[in-house]
Amino acid sequence: EIVLTQSPATLSLSPGERVTLSCRASESVSKYLAWYQQKPGQAPRLLIYDASNRATGIPARFSGSGAGTDFTLTIGSLEPEDFAVYYCQQRNNWPRTFGQGTKLEIK
Amino acid sequence: QVQLQESGPGLVKPSQTLSLTCTVSGGSFTSGRHYWGWIRQHPGKGLEWIGYIDDRGYTYYNPSLKSRLTISQETSMNQFSLKLSSVTAADTAVYYCARLAGGYDPDYWGLGTLVTVSS
Repeated sequence: EIVLTQSPATLSLSPGERVTLSCRASESVSKYLAWYQQKPGQAPRLLIYDASNRATGIPARFSGSGAGTDFTLTIGSLEPEDFAVYYCQQRNNWPRTFGQGTKLEIK
Repeated sequence: QVQLQESGPGLVKPSQTLSLTCTVSGGSFTSGRHYWGWIRQHPGKGLEWIGYIDDRGYTYYNPSLKSRLTISQETSMNQFSLKLSSVTAADTAVYYCARLAGGYDPDYWGLGTLVTVSS
């Protein structure tokens, strides 16, 4: 199965800062990489699909890029509600797999 | 607005079968090329795909669970279900049901239900 490695595990930042999260796949997943946001006690929320497409209702400050094995999620200017755990997920191969997550915390 | 709701026992004894149902409301279960899936999250941990059923009724199971797993759907009731047999404490997790719009990535999720395996 494809292993997705996210880095860093934790990031401490302040509102207004720009942040880039990384997701690396153990083999190519083409463009089939999604990003999710999860807050405590909530289900994950789809942010980005197919590497760079924002899901419905997702603010423009969220953007994704990459292809093959290396992907990034960028948040242009952090809002207080953006502090959460972010997961990447590939759908190129079955079983689909998630990364271990990056926790974005308030500095 | 599509909504999904998991239901089932919150406590299952070891070696028994975990059974959950997901009820879909706010949209037709059969319209659109949607797939329906199950994902779980062990306490304090990351997310794990369990499996899904596609719009033709074909099922895709995580190989790590395949021998114990059954996913089925009851389209007349807008429901799909999960059965996981011979459970152990390692199956304790929050179980989510989700819609895979167009067969792509899960876009609508249930709230999740915690299932604890314990005697």
